[in-house]
Amino acid sequence: NAGVTQTPKFRVLKTGQSMTLLCAQDMNHEYMYWYRQDPGMGLRLIHYSVGEGTTAKGEVPDGYNVSRLKKQNFLLGLESAAPSQTSVYFCASSPLAVSYNEQFFGPGTRLTVL
Amino acid sequence: AQTVTQSQPEMSVQEAETVTLSCTYDTSESDYYLFWYKQPPSRQMILVIRQEAYKQQNATENRFSVNFQKAAKSFSLKISDSQLGDAAMYFCAYRGVTSYDKVIFGPGTSLSVIP
Repeated sequence: NAGVTQTPKFRVLKTGQSMTLLCAQDMNHEYMYWYRQDPGMGLRLIHYSVGEGTTAKGEVPDGYNVSRLKKQNFLLGLESAAPSQTSVYFCASSPLAVSYNEQFFGPGTRLTVL
Repeated sequence: AQTVTQSQPEMSVQEAETVTLSCTYDTSESDYYLFWYKQPPSRQMILVIRQEAYKQQNATENRFSVNFQKAAKSFSLKISDSQLGDAAMYFCAYRGVTSYDKVIFGPGTSLSVIP
């Protein structure tokens, strides 16, 4: 099993450009998440999904959109990138069962917006 | 809303010594799960240990153990016999049974291990 993978690993954008980050998991997990990590602020939830075709806003959703068309994939889009979106982005997944509640993380994507 | 606080942005420990990382949380839920995740320089987040709130016994995983004080809403991580490979960012996280959709993370503690 590959676990949780993220594409790309690094990206540099200019202000105003758009891009999509892809997260894929092969563990048949229901829940998927997108976080951003900034120094001193831990992981902040951007958007999440509790199942195929569903998405919800997290703590810092502005400037981002997401889609979960397939259960195994969770896409994060930036329509018009801003320097404030320079960050490391992590995708995570977890199963539905409350009794088994660990999150599994991807390796992260370092995004720089100039 | 639930919050997680880690009051120690940075900590250091001598190799082979013991260190304790602090975490406090706030919640109105009675049933929940608490986690410590490790993030080494590779950036890959790894689960270190988890605690279920309804279990009074503190969780232990090899050199890692927790001191869970439910009334005080405190969840500290003790690392015994510290090794160079323990150097990393450590995040405390909360997941409520009622608020299961979301996981709340603390700001992290950067641990250095001195040879």
